Amino acid sequence: GNSVTQMEGPVTLSEEAFLTINCTYTATGYPSLFWYVQYPGEGLQLLLKATKADDKGSNKGFEATYRKETTSFHLEKGSVQVSDSAVYFCALRRGSNFGNEKLTFGTGTRLTIIP
Amino acid sequence: EAEVAQSPRYKITEKSQAVAFWCDPISGHATLYWYRQILGQGPELLVQFQDESVVDDSQLPKDRFSAERLKGVDSTLKIQPAELGDSAMYLCASSLGLQGFRETQYFGPGTRLLVL
Repeated sequence: GNSVTQMEGPVTLSEEAFLTINCTYTATGYPSLFWYVQYPGEGLQLLLKATKADDKGSNKGFEATYRKETTSFHLEKGSVQVSDSAVYFCALRRGSNFGNEKLTFGTGTRLTIIP
Repeated sequence: EAEVAQSPRYKITEKSQAVAFWCDPISGHATLYWYRQILGQGPELLVQFQDESVVDDSQLPKDRFSAERLKGVDSTLKIQPAELGDSAMYLCASSLGLQGFRETQYFGPGTRLLVL
């Protein structure tokens, strides 16, 4: 079946540090890949996505590249801010326009940025 | 910007009681999803609707959970009777339903349920 594996947290960084959160996946076909962010007490917000191999998703300074050869979708940001403190979820949806389009999530990585 | 609405935001109940959660998706979104998120884990799909029809309820504990979307717009998720293990965040999401696996799901703020 489909699965997503994220690096375990929590991750604590100083402001302006470089961020990488690793995500690898297992899926049949050609899934779409997503990063969602969840701030305390809130629902999930889409951060970025990529729908085919070698695509790069980007938003708010965050980037992730769909690497089919390594089945990875690592999240990166060059300089983090205190406001980036949240839980980050990697997710995939299997590549079928007519079948089940269930999102499969990783367990989440809690990120804390200290001033 | 249009948002998915959910109510209530918080619910405390005693075990064996009935609880219900409501979701109003973004206008025009044909697909509606209910997820359960246990503390420290990622969300897991409970049920998916396409308009008023259930597309996937394979992970819905049907002995105690029910979901409906009678007019293909808003939706209600019910638990009867609630058990201690049902304590979680219940998230509703919606999407256009036209672009398959590539399209974005938009999430509501969630209902946090505590069963005592």
